[in-house]
Amino acid sequence: GAGVSQSPSNKVTEKGKDVELRCDPISGHTALYWYRQSLGQGLEFLIYFQGNSAPDKSGLPSDRFSAERTGGSVSTLTIQRTQQEDSAVYLCASSLGRARDGYEQYFGPGTRLTVT
Amino acid sequence: GENVEQHPSTLSVQEGDSAVIKCTYSDSASNYFPWYKQELGKRPQLIIDIRSNVGEKKDQRIAVTLNKTAKHFSLHITETQPEDSAVYFCAADSGAGSYQLTFGKGTKLSVIP
Repeated sequence: GAGVSQSPSNKVTEKGKDVELRCDPISGHTALYWYRQSLGQGLEFLIYFQGNSAPDKSGLPSDRFSAERTGGSVSTLTIQRTQQEDSAVYLCASSLGRARDGYEQYFGPGTRLTVT
Repeated sequence: GENVEQHPSTLSVQEGDSAVIKCTYSDSASNYFPWYKQELGKRPQLIIDIRSNVGEKKDQRIAVTLNKTAKHFSLHITETQPEDSAVYFCAADSGAGSYQLTFGKGTKLSVIP
């Protein structure tokens, strides 16, 4: 079946502009996660959504970052007033449940964001 | 919150040798520890995981060990092959109720033919 998809695959934007990154999770997956991967860094957790529960936003680095998930499916990560330090690969993942309960997180291909 | 440290950051081995990557974690409530492999330009993929009720798990050439008392776990790859070259990430879950995984910074493994 189809895996997690993300768009665009690459995005170049000017400092100060807003950007929107999109994630389409695997159909039926109730949990959706956003991570940031900077050069030489690991996978930095940003936010996750689980069903109809309030999202866990504890990883968002500043109030310029926000995310929403409409209809329990597609998610959009928005970065306002982009800064050069926002340049990174943004990865989305989805799962049927919690990892500790045996549900794998499946990753998308990522969106490479470059802020000039 | 959970903190995961991973060592080494880079590792080069000759083909056929073994490779070991080590991670430590801070939250004693964590009980699930996956390992992901990310090949160049590709997405991370789960290769093996372990839960706190076992000390070791093996799948062909890869194995993971867990010492819950010391809060560390390790990935062992035997008889390495060039296709094992990738970045490997360890992770730990963030305790009961949370869906969050905390990842280490990754180890770039190079297998030299």
